[in-house]
Amino acid sequence: EVLLQQSGAELVRPGSSVKISCKASGYTFTDYYMHWVKQRPEQGLVWIGRINPANGNTVYAEKFKSKATLTADKSSNTAYMQLSSLTSEDTATYFCTSRGSAHWGQGVMVTVSS
Amino acid sequence: DVVMTQTPPSLSVAIGQSVSISCKSSQSLVYSDGKTYLHWLLQSSGRSPKRLIYQVSNLDSGVPDRFSGTGSQKDFTLKISRVEAKDLGVYYCAQTTHFPPTFGGGTKLELK
Repeated sequence: EVLLQQSGAELVRPGSSVKISCKASGYTFTDYYMHWVKQRPEQGLVWIGRINPANGNTVYAEKFKSKATLTADKSSNTAYMQLSSLTSEDTATYFCTSRGSAHWGQGVMVTVSS
Repeated sequence: DVVMTQTPPSLSVAIGQSVSISCKSSQSLVYSDGKTYLHWLLQSSGRSPKRLIYQVSNLDSGVPDRFSGTGSQKDFTLKISRVEAKDLGVYYCAQTTHFPPTFGGGTKLELK
C-alpha cells in the first residue's frame, strides 16, 4: 500500500522558517517526482513545486521560488519542504503528492501567528 | 499559467440524482505526446484530495463506474450518476499538461 506520511501541525512565528516532511512507503521513492501543494483555509489548491528524488532536481512555481525549498533524502524515503520568511499569507495546509497525484499525504497545517 | 474554470461553484443534489461538473481550460490540454493530462480530484471534508479520474476518462482503482469523465482540448466534464452520500465534497479538475500544474477553483457538491 502506498502511503505518504506527513509531519505534524506547526505553529510558527512571523519571519521564521519551518521544515515539514513527507515519508513515502509502498513504492520506489526515486521512481516518481514528489510534488507539493498549498491550500489556504477554505480555498483551492495551488502547486508549489516538485523534486526528483533520484537526483534532487527541483522545479518551482514562480511565486514560490523564494519561499519554498524542496529536498529529498533517498536513504529514508523522505521529502522535505522548507518555507522561509513566514507571514500570515503562508498559513495553510501543505500536501505532498506523488505518482501523478494518485497519492496524497494527509497534509500539514502550518499556522503563522505571533 | 493555464486557467482552469469550473462551473458551477456549488451544486445541491439529492441522493440518487445525477450531476455534471464542467471544467474549461484557457489552452488546449493536449500534450506533445498526444495525451491529455486532465484529471479530477475529490476532497471530502477535512481530508486530503483523492484522484478519481486521470487523463480525462480513466478511473482510478476502486472508483465506482458511477463516475465518468469526458471531453477534449479545452472542454471537460465530470459526470456522477446516482449520487451517494460519500460522494459529497469539493471536486477539482487539474491539468498537468502545461507548466505549472494548475487546478480549477472547485465545485462543492452538497446535499439538497
